[in-house]
Amino acid sequence: AQSVTQLGSHVSVSEGALVLLRCNYSSSVPPYLFWYVQYPNQGLQLLLKYTSAATLVKGINGFEAEFKKSETSFHLTKPSAHMSDAAEYFCAVSLPQGDTNAGKSTFGDGTTLTVKP
Amino acid sequence: DAGVTQSPTHLIKTRGQHVTLRCSPISGHKSVSWYQQVLGQGPQFIFQYYEKEERGRGNFPDRFSARQFPNYSSELNVNALLLGDSALYLCASSGSSGGYTFGSGTRLTVV
Repeated sequence: AQSVTQLGSHVSVSEGALVLLRCNYSSSVPPYLFWYVQYPNQGLQLLLKYTSAATLVKGINGFEAEFKKSETSFHLTKPSAHMSDAAEYFCAVSLPQGDTNAGKSTFGDGTTLTVKP
Repeated sequence: DAGVTQSPTHLIKTRGQHVTLRCSPISGHKSVSWYQQVLGQGPQFIFQYYEKEERGRGNFPDRFSARQFPNYSSELNVNALLLGDSALYLCASSGSSGGYTFGSGTRLTVV
């Protein structure tokens, strides 16, 4: 079984400050890991994904995440927050492609990011 | 390139009714997954279909069913609607590289 824990349901930062959204996972096999962003009344947009290649993954909009196996973590960071980053962020884990359940992702409960001017 | 398209975008149903939601994946994607997102929570996996076969099923009652067509589009059906079925239903398609592309969802309200 797989699970995801996102620490902090709400994070507030000032514009220009570092963004750090925390995600810890549990998986019986080496997982694929994802971060998605969701704006109000919209679907989810993929920010970045880890699929067992480089442990530091760069995504869109200046976001990056580092896979740390020893800490079972996949925290999302951005050096400088912008007002347009205000949204809800979801971390997700799935089995590697090729597994019969590869199409199933388990999502965390989300972290709402607020950016103050 | 069209993304994942879902229809309808919104609908309101009465308890006990049946609903069909539709999804067209990105061209070339053969896998479609359905998720339910209740307000304030992360998406919950309902079904995955690949090449018209069910490959995974989440912890949802038998009132929920789905199918995938030869053109890889998909339908999610929910019978005997309950108030608790009110949610955003998301469809996602995936190719060989991993990760999903989500549609904008169908907002279902059961009254």
